[in-house]
Parts: sequence; structure tokens; C-alpha cells
Amino acid sequence: NAGVTQTPKFQVLKTGQSMTLQCAQDMNHEYMSWYRQDPGMGLRLIHYSVGAGITDQGEVPNGYNVSRSTTEDFPLRLLSAAPSQTSVYFCASGEGLAGLYNEQFFGPGTRLTVL
Amino acid sequence: KNEVEQSPQNLTAQEGEFITINCSYSVGISALHWLQQHPGGGIVSLFMLSSGKKKHGRLIATINIQEKHSSLHITASHPRDSAVYICAVRTSGGGADGLTFGKGTHLIIQP
Repeated sequence: NAGVTQTPKFQVLKTGQSMTLQCAQDMNHEYMSWYRQDPGMGLRLIHYSVGAGITDQGEVPNGYNVSRSTTEDFPLRLLSAAPSQTSVYFCASGEGLAGLYNEQFFGPGTRLTVL
Repeated sequence: KNEVEQSPQNLTAQEGEFITINCSYSVGISALHWLQQHPGGGIVSLFMLSSGKKKHGRLIATINIQEKHSSLHITASHPRDSAVYICAVRTSGGGADGLTFGKGTHLIIQP
């Protein structure tokens, strides 16, 4: 198993550009989530999904969209990048609808810089 | 919103020392996770607790639900234990939602 994979590992954008961060898992987990990690702060939840076709907002959803067309994939879209979105982004997955009550598996992260 | 506080923020110790990292939270929870973030940035899950105590190798995690407090212990610490240790909680009630994270404890074990 590859676990949770994320692409790209690094990305530099200009203000106003859009892009999609990819996340995929091969463990058939129903719960998937996106977090951002900023210096001096804990990871914060952006969006999450409890299964294909079901997504919901987390703590800091503004400026981001998600979709879940398959169990395996959970892409995060930046609609119009802003410098405040400079961060490290982590995708995570967990087993079952109550995935938070099981071990969480994290992707390697995407380091995004918005100029 | 659940507030998660970790202490200490930074800890430097000598190889072989017994290490304790603390986590406290403000609202009742249904699950607590301990995570390790390596210097390269990768995050791995160490424990998920809802009560009592768990042990894996030299790592021990305990939780006191009444006191809203958890501890992570490392016995016979080693330089390879140097990492950021993160506590995260799942607040009781509500929908699936996500985890609320502490800011992490940066641990350095010197040889």
C-alpha cells in the first residue's frame, strides 16, 4: 500500500492563480480531510469528507473548494490564491465513517508559497 | 471550540532520560490522538485513546477523562525520538468534523 499520497510536494503560485492539490489513498478509508499547518499554530481543518459525494467545511474553509467523486481521491482547490494561503497542507484519512476514532494516516504534505 | 494546550512547548533532554509531554483540553472529548512529526515534516499516528493507558515499545500514553488531561511518556529516550509531538482531540457530540490540534512539543534528545 502506498498509504496517503499528495502531489505536488512544493508549489509556488502568484496571487490570483488557481491550482489543485491532489490527495489519494489506497486503504479504502471513508473519512478524508485537509489541514493546513502554519508556524506557531496547530494544524487546522479546512474541509473533510465522510464518503464519496459527501463533503463539509472545517474551521478555515474560505478560499478553498473540495470534491469527493471517488473513495480514493480528495482534491483541494485554491480558487484565487492569496499570500495568506502560504502554508503546508496535509491530507489525512481514517477508517470508517467515524474515521476520527481510528488511527489517522497523513500524507507527506504540500508546501505552498503564494507570492 | 475545544482549546488544546500542550506543555512544555520545547524540551531538551539527555539520552536515556524519561520524558513526559502533557496535553490538556477544555471540552469533553470522545477520542484523543498523539502524533509525531519528524524533522522532515511527515506526520505519523502514535496512539488513539478514549480511556486508560496504551503502550507501544518505549512510548506510553495515558488519559484522564475527568481531569481533561493526557500525557505521553518516553522511556529510555534516544536521539531518534527528537521530533515534534502533537496532541489532537475529537470533541464529543456533533457530526464527523475533524480534529483540534495542540501547537506541539518540540523535543530534542542529545546524545
